[in-house]
Amino acid sequence: DIVMTQSPSSLAVSGGETVTINCKSSQSLLYSGNQKNYLAWNQQKPGQSPKLLIYWASTRQSGVPDRFIGSGSGTDFTLTISSVQAEDLAIYYCQQYYDTPLTFGSGTKLEIK
Amino acid sequence: EVKLLESGGGLVQPGGSLRLSCAASGFTFADFYMTWIRQSPGKAPEWLSFIRNKANSYTTEYNPSVKGRFTISRDDTQNVLYLQMNTLRAEDTAIYYCAKHGSHWYYFDYWGQGVMVTVSS
Repeated sequence: DIVMTQSPSSLAVSGGETVTINCKSSQSLLYSGNQKNYLAWNQQKPGQSPKLLIYWASTRQSGVPDRFIGSGSGTDFTLTISSVQAEDLAIYYCQQYYDTPLTFGSGTKLEIK
Repeated sequence: EVKLLESGGGLVQPGGSLRLSCAASGFTFADFYMTWIRQSPGKAPEWLSFIRNKANSYTTEYNPSVKGRFTISRDDTQNVLYLQMNTLRAEDTAIYYCAKHGSHWYYFDYWGQGVMVTVSS
């Protein structure tokens, strides 16, 4: 199985700050046939189901604010949230879809000071 | 608007069975791959199974953690996804979500609100 390791497990920031969340996979998620990274980011707000933010490592889902930026390739990926807002309070999960079983990271809990 | 509504959850004894349903609307259900995911309290989501569309012969994939006990199926005439769960264990206690795949890729662009399954005597 592909193991997804996220860091940090939690962080607290003030509104307006920039946040960086890291995700590392145990094997490359870059498929040479199409040069795409099979990595998604999901956001789960308290009491809600997860919501897709980003796929192909850097493509924002429709309706997602442009302050959410995905980057990285191969085994190392980053979700950057610029100018954090109170509504961004959530747990963020990376997920690989390169191979089954599809696997998620353990999550990063974002708290707003 | 895409909507996914799970049902069929509840309390079941260890060794028992349960069938979950997911009613889909707002998109052409028959065209898309569909998935079941679960999440135990305070834990990360765990992908369980997906089923491809008719064009891909309704083939299925399972997480080894549930293969042989859980069966995914779909009814494209009713726009419903199912998960038959047998030989349930205490560790199967979780919120169960259905999710729609983004086209024929394996990320999930819409999730349902989830249904709780509790396995306890």
